[in-house]
Amino acid sequence: SQELEQSPQSLIVQEGKNLTINCTSSKTLYGLYWYKQKYGEGLIFLMMLQKGGEEKSHEKITAKLDEKKQQSSLHITASQPSHAGIYLCGADIGRGSTLGRLYFGRGTQLTVWP
Amino acid sequence: DAGVIQSPRHEVTEMGQEVTLRCKPISGHNSLFWYRQTMMRGLELLIYFNNNVPIDDSGMPEDRFSAKMPNASFSTLKIQPSEPRDSAVYFCASSLAEGPGNTIYFGEGSWLTVV
Repeated sequence: SQELEQSPQSLIVQEGKNLTINCTSSKTLYGLYWYKQKYGEGLIFLMMLQKGGEEKSHEKITAKLDEKKQQSSLHITASQPSHAGIYLCGADIGRGSTLGRLYFGRGTQLTVWP
Repeated sequence: DAGVIQSPRHEVTEMGQEVTLRCKPISGHNSLFWYRQTMMRGLELLIYFNNNVPIDDSGMPEDRFSAKMPNASFSTLKIQPSEPRDSAVYFCASSLAEGPGNTIYFGEGSWLTVV
């Protein structure tokens, strides 16, 4: 989707290091979703953010949505090989659409080496 | 509880042949989405249904592609005739659209190779 830009495109980190993935929209985000995908598999839902300034955490993964609701970041603390995969941000950029159409960024390929 | 179920998981077909991909959404969900994923274009929304009715098919590439949802528990995506450039992973997803912020659940995908 041209509306969503993810950075970086790929990331290689050593186990134990922290990392951040960013997702920027050219439009206001009415819902921002983070998914993880492993090669050959489907997308696994991680978190969803709606309100400006909202922050959610699950285990060692934290996601934030900025106040203006146009950028989100995904932060992994003390990365592990199990965190490796492709992280995708998806956004509902329809004006409060209840149908939840999601448009996705190109993804960030994360490699964690021991 | 079963997730979104897609079939086939893998298909290799010759150019010109008809391809039918199938999807069973999560029981009780009223929205269904078909996405296509390629290296070049990433994940693209092709079409979505709400209560079995196609709401937006603007992402369907061309007339060779068609999708149906005859009932709440089944949908198909058909490509006829298929071309090599259709090779991709096709995902089906579903959600319960009760308001903003509905989680969309994805199937494992159907890997299509057209030779």
